[in-house]
Amino acid sequence: DTGVSQNPRHKITKRGQNVTFRCDPISEHNRLYWYRQTLGQGPEFLTYFQNEAQLEKSRLLSDRFSAERPKGSFSTLEIQRTEQGDSAMYLCASSPGTVYGYTFGSGTRLTVV
Amino acid sequence: DQQVKQNSPSLSVQEGRISILNCDYTNSMFDYFLWYKKYPAEGPTFLISISSIKDKNEDGRFTVFLNKSAKHLSLHIVPSQPGDSAVYFCAASLNNDMRFGAGTRLTVKP
Repeated sequence: DTGVSQNPRHKITKRGQNVTFRCDPISEHNRLYWYRQTLGQGPEFLTYFQNEAQLEKSRLLSDRFSAERPKGSFSTLEIQRTEQGDSAMYLCASSPGTVYGYTFGSGTRLTVV
Repeated sequence: DQQVKQNSPSLSVQEGRISILNCDYTNSMFDYFLWYKKYPAEGPTFLISISSIKDKNEDGRFTVFLNKSAKHLSLHIVPSQPGDSAVYFCAASLNNDMRFGAGTRLTVKP
């Protein structure tokens, strides 16, 4: 499978707990993006990496959120002290640097109870 | 700040008729516009795109029209098929970074 892989597919956590999601992009893609999608909304940009460098972060990415792409391959998104408002679908996408190769994973659905 | 807007949350059409999905944007610097299709429990998948230097792009049953002066684009699907039922997202790109609209849920009735 050469697509974008995200794990886990679903995560239920109690408020206040920390969670970590993983994204494995298409191997030759140097750009990796994280988006959040809530009900009735389109994907909202959170952050992106060019190789291992995090080049942009949205205002949506509060200090409880941190993303890494340590070797320029897979990426992790961690949310600390989760809140109910963090419940959403977290989407990862990768691209070779053009819009035409932009490929999304199936997402991780987070539910904070 | 919502730079890409899809003002119709839903659209229902009869099989065989034309579906027209609309999208408005605010940033005149966007250089590519794309439409994505999303089924439940899947990530969005690329459907069709248009460069800002063009006003029309056609791919089979799908045509995207761009009106730069109005900052408006639309996706036409003709003839519509039940398998087209999905959520359609409009996206605009600047320097290869994309911003998305809220989506329009299309239902094509047999």
